[in-house]
Amino acid sequence: DVKVTQSSRYLVKRTGEKVFLECVQDMDHENMFWYRQDPGLGLRLIYFSYDVKMKEKGDIPEGYSVSREKKERFSLILESASTNQTSMYLCASSLLRIQETQYFGPGTRLLVL
Amino acid sequence: ELKVEQNPLFLSMQEGKNYTIYCNYSTTSDRLYWYRQDPGKSLESLFVLLSNGAVKQEGRLMASLDTKARLSTLHITAAVHDLSATYFCAVRPSIIQGAQKLVFGQGTRLTINP
Repeated sequence: DVKVTQSSRYLVKRTGEKVFLECVQDMDHENMFWYRQDPGLGLRLIYFSYDVKMKEKGDIPEGYSVSREKKERFSLILESASTNQTSMYLCASSLLRIQETQYFGPGTRLLVL
Repeated sequence: ELKVEQNPLFLSMQEGKNYTIYCNYSTTSDRLYWYRQDPGKSLESLFVLLSNGAVKQEGRLMASLDTKARLSTLHITAAVHDLSATYFCAVRPSIIQGAQKLVFGQGTRLTINP
């Protein structure tokens, strides 16, 4: 069974704080992804990574950075949190094969005050 | 730029009825995915459709793909309350250095009333 875990289910931070969201998968997947989910907008890709230390910008990377130092772990960093980054953040992973589906973590609901 | 649109965005239906959710996408792709999300939960993979004419069924849900029309449908047969959830389709526009980037639709919130 694929398991994708995220470090927190709920987070409350203040504007300007640096925020770290951690994601760990236990299935040796090459690909990892960070999305944010907002009502009416579906899921939007922030960053993804297809290998250790490799990263690619998604559709909305502004205000975010990522780190992948180990294959199983992918971190999302908000350098200076802003209220418009209040959202649900979902991590996902998948195998390298192109037909493989993505497996999602439980999500982190972030509130920036 | 690939755009993925679902309709309807909200659907309320009675148990026992049939209905269809539509997923249109704007550029060529032959990989389409359907996911389910229960309230407060994460996304669960339902179907992966890999070629034109592909049809997959699981219980009361059936998904199909028409790559020429750039359309996928998720058909619900004789709906039951347990199928209440938000359903997302997602399309893969291209392979970028091996990664599997997906573009998601807005989601269809389905409510099935007894």
